[in-house]
Amino acid sequence: EVQLLESGGGLVQPGGSLRLSCTASGFTFSSYAMSWVRQAPGKGLEWVSGISGSGGDIYYADSVKGRFTISRDSPKNTLYLQMNSLRAEDTAVYYCAKDRWGTITTCDYWGQGTLVTVSS
Amino acid sequence: QSALTQPASVSGSPGQSITMSCTGTSSDVGAYNYVSWYQQHPGKAPKLMLYDVSNRPSGVSNRFSGSKSGNTASLTISGLQAEDEADYYCSSYTSNNTPVLFGGGTKLTVL
Repeated sequence: EVQLLESGGGLVQPGGSLRLSCTASGFTFSSYAMSWVRQAPGKGLEWVSGISGSGGDIYYADSVKGRFTISRDSPKNTLYLQMNSLRAEDTAVYYCAKDRWGTITTCDYWGQGTLVTVSS
Repeated sequence: QSALTQPASVSGSPGQSITMSCTGTSSDVGAYNYVSWYQQHPGKAPKLMLYDVSNRPSGVSNRFSGSKSGNTASLTISGLQAEDEADYYCSSYTSNNTPVLFGGGTKLTVL
């Protein structure tokens, strides 16, 4: 059974940093691309960042480019999202999602999400 | 890049069928068959309902079906049930610098 467990969310001041983690189980982690998708309170889904199974291809939404860094540690079956220079508009539930393939096309399994609140 | 366009809301009575649309461009929905649909109940994570336009993951009811014509994809739910009431999001692969786009979501109300 595929399981994705996010952690690392919390309250942070504007301009601050936070690192999210997503621990995966139930599949061969290194074979699949992974993404972070966020959802601001009462809003829709926004794809944030993705990384191929090999880690060689990395993508970011324009809204986070230059501030967020995605990475993966295959031996630890863990996906990360380093978030710097956080803004109020980054407040959202952040979901970790597994892709159907080794490249980014379709998120098939999702974690339960971790809430990030950026506020003074 | 703009999100895919979905109607804000649709509604139907139990037993009826409804269809909701997802409109993109020739760079995303119109160019690739990597169109997917997600169901999200309040406070829950999204759940994949359809992938590659019309394929259902194991365990998803065959009351859910999908199609695509040009730059518009559609999700049809037949035999509406109360448990179908949720938000539905479409998604597409895109050739632009961000490989995945989501729609703004459609709230389905079962009357």
